Amino acid sequence: AQTVTQSQPEMSVQEAETVTLSCTYDTSESDYYLFWYKQPPSRQMILVIRQEAYKQQNATENRFSVNFQKAAKSFSLKISDSQLGDAAMYFCAYRSALYGGSQGNLIFGKGTKLSVKP
Amino acid sequence: DSGVTQTPKHLITATGQRVTLRCSPRSGDLSVYWYQQSLDQGLQFLIQYYNGEERAKGNILERFSAQQFPDLHSELNLSSLELGDSALYFCASSPRGFTTEAFFGQGTRLTVV
Repeated sequence: AQTVTQSQPEMSVQEAETVTLSCTYDTSESDYYLFWYKQPPSRQMILVIRQEAYKQQNATENRFSVNFQKAAKSFSLKISDSQLGDAAMYFCAYRSALYGGSQGNLIFGKGTKLSVKP
Repeated sequence: DSGVTQTPKHLITATGQRVTLRCSPRSGDLSVYWYQQSLDQGLQFLIQYYNGEERAKGNILERFSAQQFPDLHSELNLSSLELGDSALYFCASSPRGFTTEAFFGQGTRLTVV
């Protein structure tokens, strides 16, 4: 069974600085997807960024980028120019590509609570 | 707004009772997933339906059941409720065909007293 581990329960960053959240996963599959979700106090789960395992290039979405190391099974999230609105719980998630798009639940890590100091 | 609607937003009920949580997926989405988020267990996958049929099962208790109706909305039924069932229950939906993304509703906060 696949597992996702986030080893940092809490992180803190100064506004405008850069922070990196860590995530490791375990799988025997070669094709899968990785995600970072943000959960602000409103509880809404918001997709931040996704990475297809077959792509070597790291995904980037504005101030958010990932460092995907497939051999090391590592998937870290870097937030640049941190803003107060980035304060939230961040979840790393894994999804198998085995059954295509019609099946495939997300497996989540325990989350990292990010605080942003003004 | 993700387009996924969950009702009710909050629910308080007593132990031993039964409740029904409702989810309306995004227009056209065929897959519905249910997740439970609790402080000690994190986000756990419960069950998935695709176009009315059960597709995958996770850590769903026998006291819990779900179904997806012809109009694609889904209901999660929780019975013989225990204090430990208090959690945030999320519904997510994804489009037909090949896709990597799931869109989450805002969740139903269930408190069992």
